[in-house]
Amino acid sequence: DGGITQSPKYLFRKEGQNVTLSCEQNLNHDAMYWYRQDPGQGLRLIYYSQIVNDFQKGDIAEGYSVSREKKESFPLTVTSAQKNPTAFYLCASAPGTAQETQYFGPGTRLLVL
Amino acid sequence: QKEVEQNSGPLSVPEGAIASLNCTYSDRGSQSFFWYRQYSGKSPELIMFIYSNGDKEDGRFTAQLNKASQYVSLLIRDSQPSDSATYLCAVRAGGGNKLTFGTGTQLKVEL
Repeated sequence: DGGITQSPKYLFRKEGQNVTLSCEQNLNHDAMYWYRQDPGQGLRLIYYSQIVNDFQKGDIAEGYSVSREKKESFPLTVTSAQKNPTAFYLCASAPGTAQETQYFGPGTRLLVL
Repeated sequence: QKEVEQNSGPLSVPEGAIASLNCTYSDRGSQSFFWYRQYSGKSPELIMFIYSNGDKEDGRFTAQLNKASQYVSLLIRDSQPSDSATYLCAVRAGGGNKLTFGTGTQLKVEL
């Protein structure tokens, strides 16, 4: 059963804490993306990776970090430097061909305690 | 100026009617255009993509692209209550792999 999985579904962060969101895909896609969605706003790109061991900052990378050690996995860490982390986080992947159709995982909702 | 603009709605249409959703974009170099549907609390799911000027039909959905006027639209024929969702327009600029999303239009199909 191919697809993109994200865990956990809900995540609670305490002040000053780093938390890591998981994103895994078994679609053999080269490219992976992390977006943040706030109420009334569109998706904003945090980080993306076109290939293993390489990634680029998106539009709102401050306070976040990523790694891409395996093709299947692209975890996102929300650091304590991110002062307003409450949002719906979406991971997406794409084949990596010229015509990039991105497919989304189910999302993780991050809440601050 | 926002790069991808959509009317936030809500757009209300009666069941069985045609729903017309519009999106304008600012980058003339944009080459690929996508429509996603997002139900409340869920992640976006791809409905259609279009690359060339003109119309592209898939079942009840038709995407229309006019690059000269820099707009892309989505028509939903025979609208059903299950079509009630937020529709996101996304644009990929030429030469890049990033998508820029609009804020979405909320569609309500009423019985």
